[in-house]
Amino acid sequence: TQLLEQSPQFLSIQEGENLTVYCNSSSVFSSLQWYRQEPGEGPVLLVTVVTGGEVKKLKRLTFQFGDARKDSSLHITAAQPGDTGLYLCAGAPNAGNMLTFGGGTRLMVKP
Amino acid sequence: KAGVTQTPRYLIKTRGQQVTLSCSPISGHRSVSWYQQTPGQGLQFLFEYFSETQRNKGNFPGRFSGRQFSNSRSEMNVSTLELGDSALYLCASSTGLQNQPQHFGDGTRLSIL
Repeated sequence: TQLLEQSPQFLSIQEGENLTVYCNSSSVFSSLQWYRQEPGEGPVLLVTVVTGGEVKKLKRLTFQFGDARKDSSLHITAAQPGDTGLYLCAGAPNAGNMLTFGGGTRLMVKP
Repeated sequence: KAGVTQTPRYLIKTRGQQVTLSCSPISGHRSVSWYQQTPGQGLQFLFEYFSETQRNKGNFPGRFSGRQFSNSRSEMNVSTLELGDSALYLCASSTGLQNQPQHFGDGTRLSIL
């Protein structure tokens, strides 16, 4: 069974601060996806990383996939209140489409 | 392009009843996956259907079942409902190819009384 540990679980910061969310596993994933979920809605895909060592940027968000494809990080620069939400990482196995989700990081950015 | 549509959005049932949830994937997507989201366990994979066949299955009891129709729409059924089945049930669609992103609907909130 593949497990993904996500940290921190909760994060409350002031607008303008930087933060990093981590996603770690002892298993190798074929790809890793990051989602953001707001109350009453389903998770919205932010990015998919596939290659070990890959770095992708989405405005103020930077995603990195570990060289060994076992871990990933999400870095947000100059957080804004609109970044508030539940961030989820999800790993795809080498065969099949079933995603293994981390426990989520609930981020609150205060103005 | 229309997103993933799940119906109904909310359901209230009592223990012992059964329930059917529906999911319409993004047009052209052939894979539909179902997930259960609870505060304690987070998001857990139930099963995936591709071209009307169950392709992958998670660790849930046989009370949880599903099917997919020729137009890729999928239904999930839960029989003999238990209090612990209260959760947000999410459906995700994708092309079905490896490493292609999964796009989620807004879910069905099921409450068991």
